[in-house]
Amino acid sequence: AQSVTQPDIHITVSEGASLELRCNYSYGATPYLFWYVQSPGQGLQLLLKYFSGDTLVQGIKGFEAEFKRSQSSFNLRKPSVHWSDAAEYFCAVGANRDDKIIFGKGTRLHILP
Amino acid sequence: GAVVSQHPSWVICKSGTSVKIECRSLDFQATTMFWYRQFPKQSLMLMATSNEGSKATYEQGVEKDKFLINHASLTLSTLTVTSAHPEDSSFYICSTFLNTEAFFGQGTRLTVV
Repeated sequence: AQSVTQPDIHITVSEGASLELRCNYSYGATPYLFWYVQSPGQGLQLLLKYFSGDTLVQGIKGFEAEFKRSQSSFNLRKPSVHWSDAAEYFCAVGANRDDKIIFGKGTRLHILP
Repeated sequence: GAVVSQHPSWVICKSGTSVKIECRSLDFQATTMFWYRQFPKQSLMLMATSNEGSKATYEQGVEKDKFLINHASLTLSTLTVTSAHPEDSSFYICSTFLNTEAFFGQGTRLTVV
């Protein structure tokens, strides 16, 4: 069965600084990988996804993620964070393009002014 | 615009009563709907997968007699929390796929008092 590990529960960065959120997955075959963002009390918004092809994926709001099969990782990055990026970020994995999605525990991002 | 409409967005009910949460796909047919729950400051946990016209598949540890899922039509799936107790208070989210992309409902905040 697939699983996702987000080792960082909380991360704090200064506004304008770069960001990297870590994600490791466990799945026997090529996974379908996602990053979602959730603001307090809100639903989920898809930032980006990886199904196949180029391992560097561009998403919305200036985010990108890189799929590294050798490391079973799909880390999320942003070169310069904004105060509005403060939220909960979830990495997720699916077995197929339209199969159930399994979520990591999430990383809460705090932004210092 | 929204692809999946979830209703209600929040509900407060008395302990022992039942609550129904609806999830509708807008302008398309959703043969499969996934139901998740999210406790405060925790991740989304998959509860069950519902397929139109057949019985739902529940994840391990989820009481199927307590969380009744009905997917009687291609545009509507419902989750009924029966005999609700305070420990059922949570954020419930439905999800389905359209063109290989997952879409989530806005979520339902259930508070059992």
